[in-house]
Amino acid sequence: DQQVKQNSPSLSVQEGRISILNCDYTNSMFDYFLWYKKYPAEGPTFLISISSIKDKNEDGRFTVFLNKSAKHLSLHIVPSQPGDSAVYFCAASGNQFYFGTGTSLTVIP
Amino acid sequence: DTEVTQTPKHLVMGMTNKKSLKCEQHMGHRAMYWYKQKAKKPPELMFVYSYEKLSINESVPSRFSPECPNSSLLNLHLHALQPEDSALYLCASSQPLAGWSGANVLTFGAGSRLTVL
Repeated sequence: DQQVKQNSPSLSVQEGRISILNCDYTNSMFDYFLWYKKYPAEGPTFLISISSIKDKNEDGRFTVFLNKSAKHLSLHIVPSQPGDSAVYFCAASGNQFYFGTGTSLTVIP
Repeated sequence: DTEVTQTPKHLVMGMTNKKSLKCEQHMGHRAMYWYKQKAKKPPELMFVYSYEKLSINESVPSRFSPECPNSSLLNLHLHALQPEDSALYLCASSQPLAGWSGANVLTFGAGSRLTVL
């Protein structure tokens, strides 16, 4: 039972453009959401998070949007850089952390 | 100190070997986790320790045996593993989710890459 889903396994974006990664969840009790970035053979690194009491959180080039009524969140990266190429996981906090299946982002120079 | 440190980084073992993975954090986190991750898949939860007590065991085979000696250390003892157990094993820590009202970030270590021959 996948409670957090990322329906796009991969995404390619030109350098300098916006990358938009999407995530959907099913459990309305989730109150905290996180995005992680993962390079091959390394542990996931925390990027940005958002509490369910907010609808937007921004940190430099990264912005996360939360739409509670749609149970949807998205990560915007502007401008995208080649070093952003990685697998991105969204996660939700409930009685444990629930991870989405990941989106592999490729930023083309 | 905002890190989770895992050793060894790489481990190759035979199916009859006994080995251990180690994890350490000094962030004062009272929940520690073992995850297993295969390439381009999400981390798969194995065990959670909360206040040094095992709180979640996700039906992991007994050939994996966790141990939490104190609030900073977490071990994973490995015995009689199978080749399909080859994966990246991730340790992570956070504040306990139950009763925690603030922002709670799960911090991962760099992982131990395990190969079972």
